[in-house]
Amino acid sequence: KNEVEQSPQNLTAQEGEFITINCSYSVGISALHWLQQHPGGGIVSLFMLSSGKKKHGRLIATINIQEKHSSLHITASHPRDSAVYICAVRDISGGGADGLTFGKGTHLIIQP
Amino acid sequence: DVKVTQSSRYLVKRTGEKVFLECVQDMDHENMFWYRQDPGLGLRLIYFSYDVKMKEKGDIPEGYSVSREKKERFSLILESASTNQTSMYLCASSRDRGFAEAFFGQGTRLTVV
Repeated sequence: KNEVEQSPQNLTAQEGEFITINCSYSVGISALHWLQQHPGGGIVSLFMLSSGKKKHGRLIATINIQEKHSSLHITASHPRDSAVYICAVRDISGGGADGLTFGKGTHLIIQP
Repeated sequence: DVKVTQSSRYLVKRTGEKVFLECVQDMDHENMFWYRQDPGLGLRLIYFSYDVKMKEKGDIPEGYSVSREKKERFSLILESASTNQTSMYLCASSRDRGFAEAFFGQGTRLTVV
């Protein structure tokens, strides 16, 4: 089973700063997900990627398959970006319907 | 624009009670999942279902069961609630087994006293 490490665990930044959250995993994957969880519990899927880079608004996700590493970037950060960001990977072997392994999350706080 | 709805945001139950957590999705997804989320442990899969009346155990099924009688509804059952089942429970559905187009419910924070 994959081991997923996220860094940093906690991050506090000022509004407008460029934010980077990292995710590393131990074995080959077929896909990687970035999720966002706001206070109160609801989780939103931000990206699913298997190679390269994806962009949605101020969010950018990249993945390097050879290095087993992904980053989530937030440009021009805003207090509403404050949330827990979770990385999840699907092993190449797939497993059952949900061969996902989740990271423990990065708690981001953007101060005005 | 609701996609995945969990029946309760907060629940308080007594030890030994039978507890039902309901999840409904309106996207005609075949795959549905129940997770629990605990501080320092992340999300852990309890059960999943890839079709009506089909269910598979996840990583931590002990003390839980599930029911999927209709495609849109996936229920998590705590047969006899215990204090170590106090947690945040999250339901999700996805278009395929790769978790593509996955949507989560808002979560149910269950406290067992």
